[in-house]
Amino acid sequence: DSGVTQTPKHLITATGQRVTLRCSPRSGDLSVYWYQQSLDQGLQFLIQYYNGEERAKGNILERFSAQQFPDLHSELNLSSLELGDSALYFCASSVGLADTQYFGPGTRLTVL
Amino acid sequence: QKEVEQDPGPLSVPEGAIVSLNCTYSNSAFQYFMWYRQYSRKGPELLMYTYSSGNKEDGRFTAQVDKSSKYISLFIRDSQPSDSATYLCAMSAGGDSNYQLIWGAGTKLIIKP
Repeated sequence: DSGVTQTPKHLITATGQRVTLRCSPRSGDLSVYWYQQSLDQGLQFLIQYYNGEERAKGNILERFSAQQFPDLHSELNLSSLELGDSALYFCASSVGLADTQYFGPGTRLTVL
Repeated sequence: QKEVEQDPGPLSVPEGAIVSLNCTYSNSAFQYFMWYRQYSRKGPELLMYTYSSGNKEDGRFTAQVDKSSKYISLFIRDSQPSDSATYLCAMSAGGDSNYQLIWGAGTKLIIKP
């Protein structure tokens, strides 16, 4: 158990809908990262927050947004969902900006 | 060309064999190197972390970095069926502006009993 929690574990929704994924980092970690992993694909970095501020952006679509709250938990919002958004979404956390990342168990999103 | 290249496999070997997993990279500024293991549909977990060149050993696992060749390796001795997973390499240059991890695509490893 890495100490990073993600909810929900599974999410099934329809095209055009909006969903919110939640992540709680390890105690003491200030950085949160979001990744997308499609079936049999590598990890695609989406975005990083550090102590409430956005610090880095990867291949994140405009339909996706994220934020980190004062208690350091983070939410990833996915809107106008498309079939191709079906994937595993992982959250990771680290102490600082560049430290070892610890991953949560992921949220499996299925868009029908 | 990707910054980090990793053969996706699958790599299938018999139980007990020595496994060699590799990544090549193009950015000579990389100095922090990591190997993660990911079981099917689970979150990646850190296996090995090395800084700069050299070897690091942890039980049956050895990580090797050759910065002159821009090549890193993970060796698994006495491989077990439970080692069957996808292995991802990741690396970064470090510092205030180059700390982002760059990931390999992952190599799927199958250990046959």
